[in-house]
Amino acid sequence: QSVLTQPPSASGTPGQRVTISCSGSSSNLGSNTVNWYRQLPGTAPKLLIYRNNHRPSGVPDRFSGSKSGTSASLAIGGLQSDDEADYYCASWDDSLNGVVFGGGTKLTVL
Amino acid sequence: QLQLQESGPGLVKSSDTLSLSCSVSGGSVSRGTFYWGWIRQPPGKGLEWMGAVHNDGRTSYNPSLKSRITIVVDTSKNEFSLKFTSVTAADTAVYYCARRDDYYYYAVDVWGQGTTVTVSS
Repeated sequence: QSVLTQPPSASGTPGQRVTISCSGSSSNLGSNTVNWYRQLPGTAPKLLIYRNNHRPSGVPDRFSGSKSGTSASLAIGGLQSDDEADYYCASWDDSLNGVVFGGGTKLTVL
Repeated sequence: QLQLQESGPGLVKSSDTLSLSCSVSGGSVSRGTFYWGWIRQPPGKGLEWMGAVHNDGRTSYNPSLKSRITIVVDTSKNEFSLKFTSVTAADTAVYYCARRDDYYYYAVDVWGQGTTVTVSS
């Protein structure tokens, strides 16, 4: 069971906006920033959002993140077929002294 | 651009020790404010932080794995390694070496491509 909680699946149609939630506690999201990763089948995860709402170079502005208290969310606008992937949230946990991940959300583009 | 590359056996026997190495290119393991560590992903499952060593000597180990893990940074070879004892079938996974930026991104920002390890009985 993952420390951070994500819905196991999400879906949307091309062009639609989809959000994925991530819930934690005071020792992780409540006191540290959240990061989001995208993982395509057979590949390593790729950093999508860092420090709650910042995009690394090369990540389109269709991807946005937010955090409030012990909850965070990733929004994907203008959904495209190649957005189909697994999405993970992650944060540092002060109690566990390490990185904790959500269980992952499989995004399907209908 | 920093790159990480895992190496090690793809098949390990149950109860044996798994040893993996991560070669670092395009940067130095001894510079900056980073954790150098390992993350694994069992087949069809999510990501699990195993542990890491910081440039300043601090360590971070997953409490559920701590008694079985040793992570060492070798600055002379510009690489770091994982020793994971008493493996079982439950340890079958893709193992990623990774860097966590502790200064700017506050995130795991660089990943190796991953190496698949199967534990056989």
